[in-house]
Amino acid sequence: DQQVKQNSPSLSVQEGRISILNCDYTNSMFDYFLWYKKYPAEGPTFLISISSIKDKNEDGRFTVFLNKSAKHLSLHIVPSQPGDSAVYFCAASFGGYGQNFVFGPGTRLSVLP
Amino acid sequence: SQTIHQWPATLVQPVGSPLSLECTVEGTSNPNLYWYRQAAGRGLQLLFYSVGIGQISSEVPQNLSASRPQDRQFILSSKKLLLSDSGFYLCAWSQGGYGYGYTFGSGTRLTVV
Repeated sequence: DQQVKQNSPSLSVQEGRISILNCDYTNSMFDYFLWYKKYPAEGPTFLISISSIKDKNEDGRFTVFLNKSAKHLSLHIVPSQPGDSAVYFCAASFGGYGQNFVFGPGTRLSVLP
Repeated sequence: SQTIHQWPATLVQPVGSPLSLECTVEGTSNPNLYWYRQAAGRGLQLLFYSVGIGQISSEVPQNLSASRPQDRQFILSSKKLLLSDSGFYLCAWSQGGYGYGYTFGSGTRLTVV
């Protein structure tokens, strides 16, 4: 049973447009969420986080939105750049402790020039 | 600043052979350490985590084991590899406590033939 779902395995977006990556979770105890970006043959790198006391967190071109009632979060990238092409993982935890994080299966984003 | 080293980057091993992957962290003390596996087309699966020397928690029963002989060293081992052990293995560390995400190593691509 997947507790963290990323239902779109892949997404293609034109350069300069907005990319929206979605993540749904089933465990209402989750209270801390992360997004990671991963290039092929490299380790994932941290992008942005949000705790359940917020509904939005912004860092440059990246914004994460959290809808607790819908158990849904999304990552917005504006404007999208070709270097954003990567696999994006959503992760959720209760308590924010490392060993409790559950990762989604990832979404492959392709930004087309 | 903290850095995490993981080696080797790629490894091809025959079925039944032993395995040893090593991970070290610099620039921090008493980190939480993790081993993850990314199988083809799947998300990140937590295999082991450690909150201190000699303390190992296993998340998934399998053909693998982990050890932490020193504070900043984490080793993933197997006595006899199976074909199903193929995948991309990632070591990660975190500060521990609430709200700290992971920093991942660059990963090891293991192919069991």
